[in-house]
Amino acid sequence: DAGVIQSPRHEVTEMGQEVTLRCKPISGHDYLFWYRQTMMRGLELLIYFNNNVPIDDSGMPEDRFSAKMPNASFSTLKIQPSEPRDSAVYFCASSLRQGQETQYFGPGTRLLVL
Amino acid sequence: AQTVTQSQPEMSVQEAETVTLSCTYDTSESNYYLFWYKQPPSRQMILVIRQEAYKQQNATENRFSVNFQKAAKSFSLKISDSQLGDTAMYFCAFMKHPWMPAGNNRKLIWGLGTSLAVNP
Repeated sequence: DAGVIQSPRHEVTEMGQEVTLRCKPISGHDYLFWYRQTMMRGLELLIYFNNNVPIDDSGMPEDRFSAKMPNASFSTLKIQPSEPRDSAVYFCASSLRQGQETQYFGPGTRLLVL
Repeated sequence: AQTVTQSQPEMSVQEAETVTLSCTYDTSESNYYLFWYKQPPSRQMILVIRQEAYKQQNATENRFSVNFQKAAKSFSLKISDSQLGDTAMYFCAFMKHPWMPAGNNRKLIWGLGTSLAVNP
């Protein structure tokens, strides 16, 4: 079975541009998580969904960030407008509802905002 | 609030030797999960091992085992017969039992990581 799929793997953009990161969770998983990883702040949970519904978005840094999950197999994280301090690796992860609390991570998207 | 502390920012070990990575956590919960994840240079986050707090037996996965001391709130990872491929960042993480009050809680609390280098 395919793991969590993220695209793009690398993104370089200029300040002020819109950035959209994409994620396909593992088939059958009920939970989807978006994380950001930086050297300064480590791994931060931005938002997570259960059955396509956002459960906790307290980690979303500001209104420039938004996330959607229109169906069970797709989610997006959008940054508009992007700023240099948004440069980071963004991970998507998914997990099952019952019996398995383990989160399985995608390969990450490395974002560089110039 | 829960916190996770990894007191060793960097460690190194010779190939084939054993190394132990430390993790302590702070919680008032009685039921929870603990995890060790590995992040090699490829930056893929990979689950190494997980432990359920209500299980007294320490979890093991091949060369990886944990020493879970619930009273001391300690969850160390032992890597036996270290291999070059074990070179990575290792993160300890905590999760409240998801079926406890506020039962939709799936938030992982992460340590800052330990960078492990396995030397030939």
